[in-house]
Amino acid sequence: DAGVIQSPRHEVTEMGQEVTLRCKPISGHDYLFWYRQTMMRGLELLIYFNNNVPIDDSGMPEDRFSAKMPNASFSTLKIQPSEPRDSAVYFCASSPGPQPQHFGDGTRLSIL
Amino acid sequence: AQSVSQHNHHVILSEAASLELGCNYSYGGTVNLFWYVQYPGQHLQLLLKYFSGDPLVKGIKGFEAEFIKSKFSFNLRKPSVQWSDTAEYFCAGAFSGAGSYQLTFGKGTKLSVIP
Repeated sequence: DAGVIQSPRHEVTEMGQEVTLRCKPISGHDYLFWYRQTMMRGLELLIYFNNNVPIDDSGMPEDRFSAKMPNASFSTLKIQPSEPRDSAVYFCASSPGPQPQHFGDGTRLSIL
Repeated sequence: AQSVSQHNHHVILSEAASLELGCNYSYGGTVNLFWYVQYPGQHLQLLLKYFSGDPLVKGIKGFEAEFIKSKFSFNLRKPSVQWSDTAEYFCAGAFSGAGSYQLTFGKGTKLSVIP
């Protein structure tokens, strides 16, 4: 049974570039979450979707961040333009309904 | 605002020692509580969860946690740790008033087990 799949695992890019992170949730899970993990702030919820519809994006830090879920098996988190302070590990998680959430391996993002 | 706090930033134990990691939450309503573990370079894995019923919850890898409502606590325990338990442990809560699908995480406790 495949878990939550994220790509890429690592991304290094220069400030100002567009960054796109991808997530494939577990089949049948109706909820998808994007988190950011940093040393200073720990794990923060950025946005979550229910049945492909964004429900709460209050955790998205700025307009430079956007997330989409065009279908039940795919979601993207985009940062444009990227800044060094966006460097973090970004996790995607999915769940079938009420908890618990199943996490992907994360994308380690470094903005130079 | 709802919050989850973990008291210990870093715990160092010898193998076979007993473990207890503290977790407290701040919320007066219905709460679902979780412990996740993150091994170095890996994703978060669910250790155990509490929704309702028996306040003593048993999870994987020999871990257990006790929900004490009067103390707003959900401490994680293991009677005898192994080197392979070296990881970071996160307590998390889902608070009904905030939308029960949203997890609020504590800052994590790093556990180092010395062989």
